Amino acid sequence: DQQVKQNSPSLSVQEGRISILNCDYTNSMFDYFLWYKKYPAEGPTFLISISSIKDKNEDGRFTVFLNKSAKHLSLHIVPSQPGDSAVYFCAATTPYNYGQNFVFGPGTRLSVLP
Amino acid sequence: KAGVTQTPRYLIKTRGQQVTLSCSPISGHRSVSWYQQTPGQGLQFLFEYFSETQRNKGNFPGRFSGRQFSNSRSEMNVSTLELGDSALYLCASSLSSSFSGANVLTFGAGSRLTVL
Repeated sequence: DQQVKQNSPSLSVQEGRISILNCDYTNSMFDYFLWYKKYPAEGPTFLISISSIKDKNEDGRFTVFLNKSAKHLSLHIVPSQPGDSAVYFCAATTPYNYGQNFVFGPGTRLSVLP
Repeated sequence: KAGVTQTPRYLIKTRGQQVTLSCSPISGHRSVSWYQQTPGQGLQFLFEYFSETQRNKGNFPGRFSGRQFSNSRSEMNVSTLELGDSALYLCASSLSSSFSGANVLTFGAGSRLTVL
């Protein structure tokens, strides 16, 4: 039973356009969410995070939106660049976990076409 | 500042063997977590260590074990390897002693295990 779902295994976007990656979760106790980006042969790198007390967090070209009632978050990349082509993982955690225990989604492979 | 270092990067084993993977966290990071990545499954949490103690454990069989040393370096061991254990094993370190929003995981490049 996947608690964090990324229903689009892949996404192709034209360079300069907006990329929207979606993530749904089932555990209402999750209160902190992160996005990671992974290139081949490298470990995932942290991109952006959002706490459940917010509905939006922005960092340069990256914005994450959180809709708690729908248990849905999305990552917007504007404008998309070819270097953004990677696998994006959504991750979530609960406040009651002592220590670091993140639940990751299966990932979405983003291809930004020149 | 050196990142998270995992060794070996690639290894091939046969069914029934055992394997030990090593992880050196970022200097000053005391929390080390291990994740298994397989196609379509994302990253599955194995366990997390802090100050040589296992604080969290995922839903993996007892064949998967780990430990952390006093210098925060960590090892994970998989005994009696099965074909399904073929995966990328990722180690991540964190500064935090307890969860807070500012302390994210920093991952190593992973150890790719192939079981034949």
